[in-house]
Amino acid sequence: AQKVTQAQTEISVVEKEDVTLDCVYETRDTTYYLFWYKQPPSGELVFLIRRNSFDEQNEISGRYSWNFQKSTSSFNFTITASQVVDSAVYFCALSDYYSGGYQKVTFGIGTKLQVIP
Amino acid sequence: GAVVSQHPSWVICKSGTSVKIECRSLDFQATTMFWYRQFPKQSLMLMATSNEGSKATYEQGVEKDKFLINHASLTLSTLTVTSAHPEDSSFYICSAAPSPAYYEQYFGPGTRLTVT
Repeated sequence: AQKVTQAQTEISVVEKEDVTLDCVYETRDTTYYLFWYKQPPSGELVFLIRRNSFDEQNEISGRYSWNFQKSTSSFNFTITASQVVDSAVYFCALSDYYSGGYQKVTFGIGTKLQVIP
Repeated sequence: GAVVSQHPSWVICKSGTSVKIECRSLDFQATTMFWYRQFPKQSLMLMATSNEGSKATYEQGVEKDKFLINHASLTLSTLTVTSAHPEDSSFYICSAAPSPAYYEQYFGPGTRLTVT
């Protein structure tokens, strides 16, 4: 069965510190996609990044970077030089396929990040 | 591209009444739409999946007679909470995809329902 584990439920950092959010996933599929979403207090999910199971290239985008390692089934997300506006709940999600070929997205429990000025 | 809207963004209703939430894909045809519920400080939980023109498939534990889903067109799905009770108060989020097997879902902004 699909499973996404975000072991950190809440993290507090002081502004300008770097912070890494952990995500570990489980799936039987060989083809799957991983996502990170940000959910600010307004509630709307903001898409951050998508990675497919065949693309282990790590990426840096501005202050954000991602580390995808299939060997450990991890897809971690790092914010460099955190800012107060980064305060939100961050969800890791797994998209794969259950019987019948239908796509299903499984979300982690979310990590609440608080950046203290 | 891939914009999904929801209406209303928030709604307050009295216990025992029904409320309808709309989910629209604005710039693509959504063969498949999904409805999620999110309680405070919790994750998103899938309630049901619907394909255009077909009956929705509900997740285990979701009352299909209470949460009526209609996906009558390729751009519109509706969720009707019937005989709402305070425990139905939650944040409801829809998402849409061009096909059942598409690798990504595009999420709406959510609807906050409060039942008094």
